[in-house]
Amino acid sequence: EDQVTQSPEALRLQEGESSSLNCSYTVSGLRGLFWYRQDPGKGPEFLFTLYSAGEEKEKERLKATLTKKESFLHITAPKPEDSATYLCAVQANDYKLSFGAGTTVTVRA
Amino acid sequence: DAGVTQSPTHLIKTRGQHVTLRCSPISGHKSVSWYQQVLGQGPQFIFQYYEKEERGRGNFPDRFSARQFPNYSSELNVNALLLGDSALYLCASSLWGGNQPQHFGDGTRLSIL
Repeated sequence: EDQVTQSPEALRLQEGESSSLNCSYTVSGLRGLFWYRQDPGKGPEFLFTLYSAGEEKEKERLKATLTKKESFLHITAPKPEDSATYLCAVQANDYKLSFGAGTTVTVRA
Repeated sequence: DAGVTQSPTHLIKTRGQHVTLRCSPISGHKSVSWYQQVLGQGPQFIFQYYEKEERGRGNFPDRFSARQFPNYSSELNVNALLLGDSALYLCASSLWGGNQPQHFGDGTRLSIL
């Protein structure tokens, strides 16, 4: 069965203090790895899809990378509005996303 | 463009009752998926539908059922509600399923008393 583990569970950062979130996975035949952002009381908001090891995607202060066993979400010079729970999900077949429990990021001004 | 819309936003039911949750996908999206999210956890897959056919089902009891209509909207039905069914129910749509990105609505918060 697909397994997704995210670490750390929670991350408290000072504004401007860069850091990385980890998503390690076990899946037979990765078809895609997805990063989402979720704000309290809202649904997950799509950020990135990575399809193969070595691939990188960037959006504003966020950069996602992928290896054969894990993915990293790098947050560069975060701002308070980057505070959210970041979810990682893997897809090994045509339909199902398997999610990790998420990393809750709090950025203090 | 409108995103994925779900109704109702909140719902309170008692044990043993039945509930129907509704979802309208992004215009042009033909695949709809349902997920259950318990507080502090990631979403858990329940169903995916594509072109009105069930494509996949997660590890949920038969009390959970769903369908997709010709306009690609979808309903999730849960019978004989249990306290453990209290959760945020999320609907996601994608163009055709597969490994296309799934875009989520803001969910229905279901509370069972």
